[in-house]
Amino acid sequence: DAKTTQPPSMDCAEGRAANLPCNHSTISGNEYVYWYRQIHSQGPQYIIHGLKNNETNEMASLIITEDRKSSTLILPHATLRDTAVYYCIVRVTGGSYIPTFGRGTSLIVHP
Amino acid sequence: DTEVTQTPKHLVMGMTNKKSLKCEQHMGHRAMYWYKQKAKKPPELMFVYSYEKLSINESVPSRFSPECPNSSLLNLHLHALQPEDSALYLCASSQEGGAAFFGQGTRLTVV
Repeated sequence: DAKTTQPPSMDCAEGRAANLPCNHSTISGNEYVYWYRQIHSQGPQYIIHGLKNNETNEMASLIITEDRKSSTLILPHATLRDTAVYYCIVRVTGGSYIPTFGRGTSLIVHP
Repeated sequence: DTEVTQTPKHLVMGMTNKKSLKCEQHMGHRAMYWYKQKAKKPPELMFVYSYEKLSINESVPSRFSPECPNSSLLNLHLHALQPEDSALYLCASSQEGGAAFFGQGTRLTVV
């Protein structure tokens, strides 16, 4: 699996967009980018995933660069409840998909 | 229903006790996982079951014994644990090629 690099921490003002970057420069053509988050003392929660097109759902948007070497998770209007550790995972989908977590980015949303 | 249910939520056990953690999902997922998470660390994969058969054991000590009685249930039997085994134990499930859904975890304390 391709390795990912994320900043260890970020902060964001409530109501503003939170843009969380992830570098995955060794990603291969059949690897998807998945994002999860983990709010303190809870289980990880799936957010979104994509291959090469930008994706949007009710939680977030995922922007993948054209060369697929990096991506950005966007929370358009961050709230205090978005304070969590965000994990970017690159993995081949199809067959057995096993989330393997790196250190992630600790996002703090402040009032 | 996108819920993975883990019981108990909290467990305190002595080093000579035998206990079991339980995980249940009704999403028809055929892959189920156990993870261990220490404080301020990412989740670490322990076991993977695929179609009710153990497919991955990440060199976990034998004092942890997984069991998959049917496609909806996953157990983790604990025996002769050490204090350093105290952690959050997470269960997850997924359909092949799909995102994983996690339970809220069991907070285990070994005394």
